[in-house]
Amino acid sequence: AQSVAQPEDQVNVAEGNPLTVKCTYSVSGNPYLFWYVQYPNRGLQFLLKYITGDNLVKGSYGFEAEFNKSQTSFHLKKPSALVSDSALYFCAVRDNVKGYSTLTFGKGTMLLVSP
Amino acid sequence: NAGVTQTPKFQVLKTGQSMTLQCAQDMNHNSMYWYRQDPGMGLRLIYYSASEGTTDKGEVPNGYNVSRLNKREFSLRLESAAPSQTSVYFCASSEAPYTIYFGEGSWLTVV
Repeated sequence: AQSVAQPEDQVNVAEGNPLTVKCTYSVSGNPYLFWYVQYPNRGLQFLLKYITGDNLVKGSYGFEAEFNKSQTSFHLKKPSALVSDSALYFCAVRDNVKGYSTLTFGKGTMLLVSP
Repeated sequence: NAGVTQTPKFQVLKTGQSMTLQCAQDMNHNSMYWYRQDPGMGLRLIYYSASEGTTDKGEVPNGYNVSRLNKREFSLRLESAAPSQTSVYFCASSEAPYTIYFGEGSWLTVV
């Protein structure tokens, strides 16, 4: 089965500074990778995905992610953090279990952006 | 622009009671899912439906049943609620194998 790891439970960054939220994956075959964001008491919102092609993927709200096959990583990045970016971020990988397609999620990383 | 709609948003149950979480999507997706979210554990798949009339168990199906009523609707039933089922439940849909879209969640407390 596929798996993802988010090694940091929490990331703290000051507003205006660049941010990185880390994700590593373990898959057999080509990886389909996703980032989602969850604001308090809300559902998960899709940010971006990597299926194939350019290793730098651009997504919603100014976020981007860099796919690195040799390091099996898919880190989420943003050049300049906003206080409103404070939320819970999930990395996920497509998984095929019993012949159907679903997502396997990491445990999540809380991003706190201070003013 | 509804997307995935689930009800109720909040519910408190007593141990042993039953209830059904309702979910509907308006994106004409074939695949629908029920996940639960627990602190420090990410999201775990309870049940999956690839199309109308088909359902499959996910990672944590015990204590739950599902019904894919039609292409739009996918309900989750707790027949005899237990405190271990206190969680946040998310319905989702996709046109497999790509992006999965989530509802806003149902907060369930079993006392």
